[in-house]
Amino acid sequence: SQKIEQNSEALNIQEGKTATLTCNYTNYSPAYLQWYRQDPGRGPVFLLLIRENEKEKRKERLKVTFDTTLKQSLFHITASQPADSATYLCALALITGANNLFFGTGTRLTVIP
Amino acid sequence: DSGVTQTPKHLITATGQRVTLRCSPRSGDLSVYWYQQSLDQGLQFLIQYYNGEERAKGNILERFSAQQFPDLHSELNLSSLELGDSALYFCASSVPIKDRHSYEQYFGPGTRLTVT
Repeated sequence: SQKIEQNSEALNIQEGKTATLTCNYTNYSPAYLQWYRQDPGRGPVFLLLIRENEKEKRKERLKVTFDTTLKQSLFHITASQPADSATYLCALALITGANNLFFGTGTRLTVIP
Repeated sequence: DSGVTQTPKHLITATGQRVTLRCSPRSGDLSVYWYQQSLDQGLQFLIQYYNGEERAKGNILERFSAQQFPDLHSELNLSSLELGDSALYFCASSVPIKDRHSYEQYFGPGTRLTVT
């Protein structure tokens, strides 16, 4: 069956450290993968998109890697801040699809001051 | 602010009833997506429209239907409501007319539906 798993439901880290979130998928052939941030009761907010032929993407303190052999994406937040505390969702769009997204269950990140 | 608007923000209704959720996409976006988010199922894709035409269907129940109008706003109709339909319903938009290879999605604030 198809699955998108994010490494843990919750992750606590100390302010200033690097947070690393994992997204693993099975039985999907994604054309690209996206990461979103979601705060309680609000809609997801787009962060980064990485295509199947790209290994790494960066935006300010954020970095995403994509390994289609391992079927895994890693999402890093460097120099984390309490304001980074939120739920982070990975999402796949399929090669043969219409750009609709399949979401993972999310990782709730808490950055401790 | 994503530029996507959804109404109403909250909706409380009884089992068996029918409701309509409304979404206005970002100005210039051609695609509209509907998602359902519940505690046990996470964020699930329901249906997508592109420039007025249905493009993809996900796990959308037969009791649910949607459409996209010429001005690109969309409505999601939920009928014969059951307790299990209680969830947050999000609309998202993407694919701006000026860059049809831009696929990041912009989500609205959601409609919280409670079926009693």
